[in-house]
Amino acid sequence: GAVVSQHPSWVICKSGTSVKIECRSLDFQATTMFWYRQFPKQSLMLMATSNEGSKATYEQGVEKDKFLINHASLTLSTLTVTSAHPEDSSFYICSGKGLGFHEQFFGPGTRLTVL
Amino acid sequence: AQRVTQPEKLLSVFKGAPVELKCNYSYSGSPELFWYVQYSRQRLQLLLRHISRESIKGFTADLNKGETSFHLKKPFAQEEDSAMYYCALGLGGTSYGKLTFGQGTILTVHP
Repeated sequence: GAVVSQHPSWVICKSGTSVKIECRSLDFQATTMFWYRQFPKQSLMLMATSNEGSKATYEQGVEKDKFLINHASLTLSTLTVTSAHPEDSSFYICSGKGLGFHEQFFGPGTRLTVL
Repeated sequence: AQRVTQPEKLLSVFKGAPVELKCNYSYSGSPELFWYVQYSRQRLQLLLRHISRESIKGFTADLNKGETSFHLKKPFAQEEDSAMYYCALGLGGTSYGKLTFGQGTILTVHP
């Protein structure tokens, strides 16, 4: 199957700083990438959908100025958590979907801890 | 709004026993249902989707539109089936490609 990587796998930062998470499709062109958030022992919650070259579409309740998403190429999307606070601590997962694909391929996730 | 419900957070069975993980959904459009599995310390991966009607690793799931269910079944559970299982609903129309996940069921298969 297709492979999606995320970097970093975990990050610890101080409150008020910004953190960037990268999501790469390694062996396919991801025309659409999705960003999810997962709380401990809970489900995945879709945060936003990004299509290459377009602005991301955010789900209701997700602050677009807080979670900046860029999908500048067919193999890279980034999520920047701006002015992070402890309540932003979570597991962030991205997935990629290629044109004509019927499934999304998930990255391994990034654990963000804000102190 | 769409919703996926997995009523069992935890499910324990013994090796060789049948297992059924329940999933119910609500959606006004034409549903596309998936089962994803996440083994310990691994990423989420697709197990099966209703459209393909495949049997993967001995698991099957049938979409029942009357009961709005998509239960996952396996006649003889194996220890390596122990994992977190998510039922997901794929949206259509302008939201095509988006997935709504259930809460997940942790399956433990005892030796």
